[in-house]
Amino acid sequence: GAVVSQHPSWVICKSGTSVKIECRSLDFQATTMFWYRQFPKQSLMLMATSNEGSKATYEQGVEKDKFLINHASLTLSTLTVTSAHPEDSSFYICSARTSGRTLAKNIQYFGAGTRLSVL
Amino acid sequence: AQSVTQLDSQVPVFEEAPVELRCNYSSSVSVYLFWYVQYPNQGLQLLLKYLSGSTLVKGINGFEAEFNKSQTSFHLRKPSVHISDTAEYFCAVSDLKAGGTSYGKLTFGQGTILTVHP
Repeated sequence: GAVVSQHPSWVICKSGTSVKIECRSLDFQATTMFWYRQFPKQSLMLMATSNEGSKATYEQGVEKDKFLINHASLTLSTLTVTSAHPEDSSFYICSARTSGRTLAKNIQYFGAGTRLSVL
Repeated sequence: AQSVTQLDSQVPVFEEAPVELRCNYSSSVSVYLFWYVQYPNQGLQLLLKYLSGSTLVKGINGFEAEFNKSQTSFHLRKPSVHISDTAEYFCAVSDLKAGGTSYGKLTFGQGTILTVHP
């Protein structure tokens, strides 16, 4: 199956600094990518949908100025957590969707996630 | 709005025993249903999906799931599990985006940790 690479897998930063997480589709082009956040023992919560060449669509309650998303190419989307604080510590997961003329060919592939710890 | 409930947070089972992981959903529109598996330190991997047609869906690694519209359920089953099936399993639901060519956003359940003991 298709591969989505997410980097870094784990990052520790000081409060007030910014952190960038990369999400790459390695063997397919993805016009649409997704960013999720997962708290311990909870479900994946969609933060935003990233479309190549246009602004991301954020879910209700997600601060767009804090979680900057850039999808500059068909294989790369980035999430930047600006001025991170301890409450931003979480597991962030990206996903890229293949595109096709039928629903069966539209599949979301997921990265392995990034664990962010803000001290 | 859609929601997904995975009824068991943890399921322990012995090797070669059958297993069922339960998933119920709620939605006001037609839905598409998915099961994903997450092995330690890996991304979510699609096990199977229900789009339309036969309500019994077969996936990878010997898993299958049955869509039951009247009970709004999509339970995952395997007749005989292996140690390697130890992982976290997520049920997810999506509706259809306008235009009909792609899914809407996925809504996930809380996950079920399956632990297979020797």
